[in-house]
Amino acid sequence: NAGVTQTPKFRILKIGQSMTLQCTQDMNHNYMYWYRQDPGMGLKLIYYSVGAGITDKGEVPNGYNVSRSTTEDFPLRLELAAPSQTSVYFCASSPETGSSGYTFGSGTRLTVV
Amino acid sequence: QKEVEQDPGPLSVPEGAIVSLNCTYSNSAFQYFMWYRQYSRKGPELLMYTYSSGNKEDGRFTAQVDKSSKYISLFIRDSQPSDSATYLCAMSSGTYKYIFGTGTRLKVLA
Repeated sequence: NAGVTQTPKFRILKIGQSMTLQCTQDMNHNYMYWYRQDPGMGLKLIYYSVGAGITDKGEVPNGYNVSRSTTEDFPLRLELAAPSQTSVYFCASSPETGSSGYTFGSGTRLTVV
Repeated sequence: QKEVEQDPGPLSVPEGAIVSLNCTYSNSAFQYFMWYRQYSRKGPELLMYTYSSGNKEDGRFTAQVDKSSKYISLFIRDSQPSDSATYLCAMSSGTYKYIFGTGTRLKVLA
């Protein structure tokens, strides 16, 4: 049982470049999330999805886009990379209720130069 | 005022010590309280979960919730060097959206 898988693990982007961070889960969870984690700032919610075809903005959505065409996959798109997007990105999934917590992926470490 | 407050540490303790990690919160609607452990360069993993008030024990770990004071704690008994990690509290009102603390970095010295 793989849980939540994120690719790539590391990436260096130049300013203005675009990329997609991949996230897939095999637990049949309807709810999926993207967070960024900066030193001393905790986890900030970027986007979330409550099911295939349904997405919504979190706390810090600017500069990002998401799509959810299947239950398993929830890619995060950076269109015009900026240095402020240097961070560690975590994808997570959960069942519908609030009582089970999240299962996190191992993260993507992104540097924009 | 942040919705969830957590001392960032670092907290350094000798091996075998009892560790107390804490979070305070402002939203009285929070009912689900969780602790995650995050090793360096890894994703957070769920450690403990409690619902409403009270205590929950799992091996060397005890989670405590005091809703009247809006205060939650995680106690680690007989701490080990392998417990060295960042500990994040998280809480929810029962929906799927959790609010996370900033994390406390713990170092257990051998």
